[in-house]
Amino acid sequence: KQEVTQIPAALSVPEGENLVLNCSFTDSAIYNLQWFRQDPGKGLTSLLLIQSSQREQTSGRLNASLDKSSGRSTLYIAASQPGDSATYLCAVRSGSARQLTFGSGTQLTVLP
Amino acid sequence: EAGVAQSPRYKIIEKRQSVAFWCNPISGHATLYWYQQILGQGPKLLIQFQNNGVVDDSQLPKDRFSAERLKGVDSTLKIQPAKLEDSAVYLCASREQQGTQETQYFGPGTRLLVL
Repeated sequence: KQEVTQIPAALSVPEGENLVLNCSFTDSAIYNLQWFRQDPGKGLTSLLLIQSSQREQTSGRLNASLDKSSGRSTLYIAASQPGDSATYLCAVRSGSARQLTFGSGTQLTVLP
Repeated sequence: EAGVAQSPRYKIIEKRQSVAFWCNPISGHATLYWYQQILGQGPKLLIQFQNNGVVDDSQLPKDRFSAERLKGVDSTLKIQPAKLEDSAVYLCASREQQGTQETQYFGPGTRLLVL
């Protein structure tokens, strides 16, 4: 059974800092890994999707890496802004039904 | 393109009462999911539909939860009777698949509070 762990559970940084969020998964037989953002009271917004054959994906100030063999992914946020404050969820797609298994998220607060 | 629609957005009920949630996925998406997200946790899959058939309901508490997608489009999730521990956000999602890309879109969720 796939299990996904995210560290840290919460993170508070001053505006402008670069930061890294971590995600680990137990079963390396994945199709892809996705990072989502969740704002309070709202659904999930997909940020980046990395296929199992890829090493990283970039979108603006966000960069996600994938090391499938070690079961790890990182989300790098450059020059953080208060608008980046949200919960960031990592999810891996695996299994015969190609289902997403989520971590518990990292709650990020960027202080002005 | 319209997103995944869910209703109601909020619901407060007393334990042992019944409740139903509705989801309308993005047009043309064959796969539909219901997730339960308890405060402080990530979403947990309850049930997955492919068109009007169930692909996986292994984590659905079938003694009290039921779901259907009769015409392969919109779906309802029901809880009867509700327990305190059912308090959570219930998220619906639908998925498109184009080549090797798989993008899953989430609705805003229904926030349930059981008193």
